[in-house]
Amino acid sequence: DIQMTQSPSSLSASVGDRVTITCRASQSISNYLNWYQQKPGEAPKPLIYGAFSLQTGVPPRFSGSGSGTEFTLTISSLQPEDFATYYCQQSYHGPATFGPGTTVDIK
Amino acid sequence: EVQLVESGGTLVQPGRSLRLSCAASGFTFDNYAMHWVRQVPGKGLEWVSGINWSSGHIGYVDSVKGRFTISRDNAKNSLYLQMNSLRAEDMAIYYCVKDQNTNWNDFRFDYWGQGTLVTVSS
Repeated sequence: DIQMTQSPSSLSASVGDRVTITCRASQSISNYLNWYQQKPGEAPKPLIYGAFSLQTGVPPRFSGSGSGTEFTLTISSLQPEDFATYYCQQSYHGPATFGPGTTVDIK
Repeated sequence: EVQLVESGGTLVQPGRSLRLSCAASGFTFDNYAMHWVRQVPGKGLEWVSGINWSSGHIGYVDSVKGRFTISRDNAKNSLYLQMNSLRAEDMAIYYCVKDQNTNWNDFRFDYWGQGTLVTVSS
């Protein structure tokens, strides 16, 4: 199975900060990388698919980049509603696997 | 509006069986693959099983092969997960998830239900 890792595991940031989360795959997954946001008590919400394509309705302050084994999720200006846990997920080869998550909390 | 509503989660003893259901609405159900993804509360996400639009192709994570069976009824816009020989490690929130595509192994999850909690304990 393809293993996914994320760094950092958690970070503290302030409203308005630029935030970057890194996701790495144990083998090349081309651009088959998706990102999700999850808030406590809620289901995950899809943000980005195919490494950089925003899902419908996702604000443009979210962006994704990368290919192969290293990917990033960037929030250009953190908003209060962005404090959450973020997961990457590879869709290159079954089984689909997720990273362990990065929690963004308020500094 | 896409809605996925899971049901069937409850407390069950180890070794027993349970069937989860998911009622789908707001989209053409038989055009898309569907999945079950689980999450131990406070922990990460694990894909469990997927089924393509026609039920012709199905996949499972290794840890549930031979114990879990995914199925769908397109006439009823419903997805199911039959879980047999339940173990403590199966205890989790189970999410019903829609794929953006028709194939179960595209793994592009675009809508999630709110989840149903399965507790496995004696």
